[in-house]
Amino acid sequence: AQSVTQLDSQVPVFEEAPVELRCNYSSSVSVYLFWYVQYPNQGLQLLLKYLSGSTLVESINGFEAEFNKSQTSFHLRKPSVHISDTAEYFCAVTSNRDDKIIFGKGTRLHILP
Amino acid sequence: KAGVTQTPRYLIKTRGQQVTLSCSPISGHRSVSWYQQTPGQGLQFLFEYFSETQRNKGNFPGRFSGRQFSNSRSEMNVSTLELGDSALYLCASVGLNTEAFFGQGTRLTVV
Repeated sequence: AQSVTQLDSQVPVFEEAPVELRCNYSSSVSVYLFWYVQYPNQGLQLLLKYLSGSTLVESINGFEAEFNKSQTSFHLRKPSVHISDTAEYFCAVTSNRDDKIIFGKGTRLHILP
Repeated sequence: KAGVTQTPRYLIKTRGQQVTLSCSPISGHRSVSWYQQTPGQGLQFLFEYFSETQRNKGNFPGRFSGRQFSNSRSEMNVSTLELGDSALYLCASVGLNTEAFFGQGTRLTVV
């Protein structure tokens, strides 16, 4: 069975400050890792994904995440946040056996002016 | 190309009624999954369909059911609605590269 833990339910951060959203997973099989973002009253959008290869993956809007197999982590980082980054962020895993996605509880990112 | 389409966007039902939600995946995508999102439980997996067959099922009571048609469109049905079924129901379609695309969701309110 797979599970995802997002340790922080809410993270307040000042605009232009760096941020890290933590994600740890457990699985008995190889996994694919994802971060999704949900803006208010909208569905989920894929932010970035790790399938294989380089352990550092980047999104087009400045976020990056690093797959750490030994620590079973996939933390999301951004060096400088903007007010438009206000949203809820979900870490998720799937296996290579099917398309069932297991989500973490989500981290709500609050950008303070 | 068109995204994932879920209808209706909003629904209000009374306890005891049943409801059917629809999801049209992206053309060519192989599977459709359904998720329930609530403030207390977060995103919970309901079921996954691949080629008209249910491939996975989450831990929901039998009142929750679904199906997939030959054109890949999927429906989920909830019978004997309870207040606790109020939630945002999200559908996702998955392509060959394992990337899931989500619809805007159907917000169901049970009164």
